[in-house]
Amino acid sequence: SAVISQKPSRDICQRGTSLTIQCQVDSQVTMMFWYRQQPGQSLTLIATANQGSEATYESGFVIDKFPISRPNLTFSTLTVSNMSPEDSSIYLCSVVPGTGYYPTFGSGTRLTVV
Amino acid sequence: GESVGLHLPTLSVQEGDNSIINCAYSNSASDYFIWYKQESGKGPQFIIDIRSNMDKRQGQRVTVLLNKTVKHLSLQIAATQPGDSAVYFCAEIGNYGQNFVFGPGTRLSVLP
Repeated sequence: SAVISQKPSRDICQRGTSLTIQCQVDSQVTMMFWYRQQPGQSLTLIATANQGSEATYESGFVIDKFPISRPNLTFSTLTVSNMSPEDSSIYLCSVVPGTGYYPTFGSGTRLTVV
Repeated sequence: GESVGLHLPTLSVQEGDNSIINCAYSNSASDYFIWYKQESGKGPQFIIDIRSNMDKRQGQRVTVLLNKTVKHLSLQIAATQPGDSAVYFCAEIGNYGQNFVFGPGTRLSVLP
């Protein structure tokens, strides 16, 4: 399976600021996925990032709030913009490796907005 | 149990006992079902999977059962150990690997 490195692992941010989360994969993948996991809850897909095209956002998530970059087949960033305490969550990067069929996850970014 | 608000359903078992974690899925057309384990501070990790044309699959100390009639999935952990304490999620995969839907999760707590 793919090895995913996600940075930062955690951060405490002031409301109104933005945080960019990086996701690096050790192999080339077509699609990268960004999830949010609110405290004590399951995973919710934010968007799917394809290299060379605009990210596809799920209902309830918009590009202005969660801009995504996908400059190549091994890297993506998710920015959480104009943060509020409600954005406090774990943000997870995920890929489906080329030889696999199920999502593999990074260790996540634990974000606290104060 | 049902997931209510911010509180994951919790299953507490004695060390050495067997654990059964249940999950109801939504899409009868899903192709694969997967169980993930998420330890504190980590991302979900794959445990075991089962295809929709199977009803049982065994791994090391874990067994997954699939009942398509009632759209129910279960994970059985034999001789539960303290290292099994984690949150467990089921996931269904459909549309030829394009759709992934995660269940609400169950927190397993292993008592000494």
